[in-house]
Amino acid sequence: DTAVSQTPKYLVTQMGNDKSIKCEQNLGHDTMYWYKQDSKKFLKIMFSYNNKELIINETVPNRFSPKSPDKAHLNLHINSLELGDSAVYFCASSLQWGNEKLFFGSGTQLSVL
Amino acid sequence: KNEVEQSPQNLTAQEGEFITINCSYSVGISALHWLQQHPGGGIVSLFMLSSGKKKHGRLIATINIQEKHSSLHITASHPRDSAVYICAVNGGGADGLTFGKGTHLIIQP
Repeated sequence: DTAVSQTPKYLVTQMGNDKSIKCEQNLGHDTMYWYKQDSKKFLKIMFSYNNKELIINETVPNRFSPKSPDKAHLNLHINSLELGDSAVYFCASSLQWGNEKLFFGSGTQLSVL
Repeated sequence: KNEVEQSPQNLTAQEGEFITINCSYSVGISALHWLQQHPGGGIVSLFMLSSGKKKHGRLIATINIQEKHSSLHITASHPRDSAVYICAVNGGGADGLTFGKGTHLIIQP
């Protein structure tokens, strides 16, 4: 069983569309994250949810919204997609907030045309 | 804000060589992570450490808190070690991890 699974793996869409990326973890972890990796492979935190509460929200446009129906799921909704949103998005989880090992999903490559 | 610098950015070596990747950061941290990203794209956590040294198989990670520096060593390197190695630091606050830009390692047979 995959510990952290995210879907879809690839997402190609037009500018202006709204899309979602789903993430689920079966590790019983309390904290989940969304990271963005740009074309130069640089990773940056977008959101973190601990027990369904948003902990951090870096300088991310409000077109991006995390939704957590329960602590095993953290989905990422993106409205009005722009060309600059093209990147690889990684979901991850850790046992708790703080100094804990991270478990990553396999990534979603988003291409906005 | 913590600045995380990795060196080298790119490294090509022959199979069997001893590999060292360095990571420096500017502000005190509570923990440092080493991550591995294979060409297929998946990211795996190798180590999380806040002091001293950790070893797993052929991989060794060390950290010097006073000097704000960490190293990742690979002994008896193998082509399957070819990957991007990423250093990330946790400042202990609400900002989460700050990442380095990664070191692209290629091990040639």
